[in-house]
Amino acid sequence: NAGVTQTPKFRILKIGQSMTLQCTQDMNHNYMYWYRQDPGMGLKLIYYSVGAGITDKGEVPNGYNVSRSTTEDFPLRLELAAPSQTSVYFCATLTGVNTEAFFGQGTRLTVV
Amino acid sequence: QQQVKQSPQSLIVQKGGISIINCAYENTAFDYFPWYQQFPGKGPALLIAIRPDVSEKKEGRFTISFNKSAKQFSLHIMDSQPGDSATYFCAAGEMDSSYKLIFGSGTRLLVRP
Repeated sequence: NAGVTQTPKFRILKIGQSMTLQCTQDMNHNYMYWYRQDPGMGLKLIYYSVGAGITDKGEVPNGYNVSRSTTEDFPLRLELAAPSQTSVYFCATLTGVNTEAFFGQGTRLTVV
Repeated sequence: QQQVKQSPQSLIVQKGGISIINCAYENTAFDYFPWYQQFPGKGPALLIAIRPDVSEKKEGRFTISFNKSAKQFSLHIMDSQPGDSATYFCAAGEMDSSYKLIFGSGTRLLVRP
């Protein structure tokens, strides 16, 4: 039982490149979230999903896209990387029953 | 627009002292108020949470105080220990509707021996 798995752990992108941050959970949770964490700025909600096929924007969705084709996977897509997207990205899930959110270990992304 | 405001940004407490972190929210639709603890290089982990139908919840040395009319809630860490040194985040969620979970900006706590 791995919980929430994020890949990669680290990545350096050049401006204008694209990439997908992967998030997989094996807890059969309905609700999944993507956050970015900037120093001193806390966790900002990018996108979230309440179930397969359903996604919604969070606080800072611009420059990102998501999909939720299965319960397990919730990938985050950056189409045209910009330096402002340098951050640590966290994926999280919760059951909706006891409402505890479980976080992955994070992906540290640097855009140069 | 910051929906959950957290203060202070950093806090230094002596071992055995009380650490107090405050949060304020604006959206009255929030119905769930958790606190998360994060150690360097790790993802946040749930510490304690409260629903708005109670004014206080205690788990060991950690207590949440909740003031619905003022739209404020706080975390109290009693008998603070060096092992409590971490970043603490408050959050607010709409757990009975959208399941959107919004976090505060975080407080870096240092407990000196």
